Amino acid sequence: DTGVSQDPRHKITKRGQNVTFRCDPISEHNRLYWYRQTLGQGPEFLTYFQNEAQLEKSRLLSDRFSAERPKGSFSTLEIQRTEQGDSAMYLCASSLVRGLAGKAGELFFGEGSRLTVL
Amino acid sequence: RKEVEQDPGPFNVPEGATVAFNCTYSNSASQSFFWYRQDCRKEPKLLMSVYSSGNEDGRFTAQLNRASQYISLLIRDSKLSDSATYLCVVNMRNSGYALNFGKGTSLLVTP
Repeated sequence: DTGVSQDPRHKITKRGQNVTFRCDPISEHNRLYWYRQTLGQGPEFLTYFQNEAQLEKSRLLSDRFSAERPKGSFSTLEIQRTEQGDSAMYLCASSLVRGLAGKAGELFFGEGSRLTVL
Repeated sequence: RKEVEQDPGPFNVPEGATVAFNCTYSNSASQSFFWYRQDCRKEPKLLMSVYSSGNEDGRFTAQLNRASQYISLLIRDSKLSDSATYLCVVNMRNSGYALNFGKGTSLLVTP
């Protein structure tokens, strides 16, 4: 399977615990994105990487959230001291750089990691 | 004001009908526009890009009005399989590459 893969698919945790999600993008894609989606809402941007550099992070993102992409391949998203409001689907997507400056490429999404905080 | 706004619907239409969705965006400097489709409990997938001159892909037509900061999607001859949520997507303020999604418009095509 050469699509975007995410692990784990489901995570149930107690409030206050730390959780980590992993994303493996499509191998030739150099951009990697994290989004969060709750029921009835569209995906909400969290952060994105170009290769290993984290180029943008949402101002809405709490300091409890951190993402890394150490070798420009897979990425991890860690949530520390989880809260019930963190319950959501965490979507990872990857894309290929396009030739035109400022033009975004098609995002290919993984199936997501669903987090439930009790 | 939200960066991308859509009517959430739901739109309930019979098979064969024509249906149109609208979307407005707030960033006048945006350059990239898309419609994504999301089936229930699935990940979003690209339906089509939206070009300045308007573009068509089979039964789907997308239009962009930069002056009004407005995007539309027209679906002709609706099929049952078109039932899904349609997400309007625009690149974010001050960012060429991060995409901002609307809440989505829900479409249900009935027999």
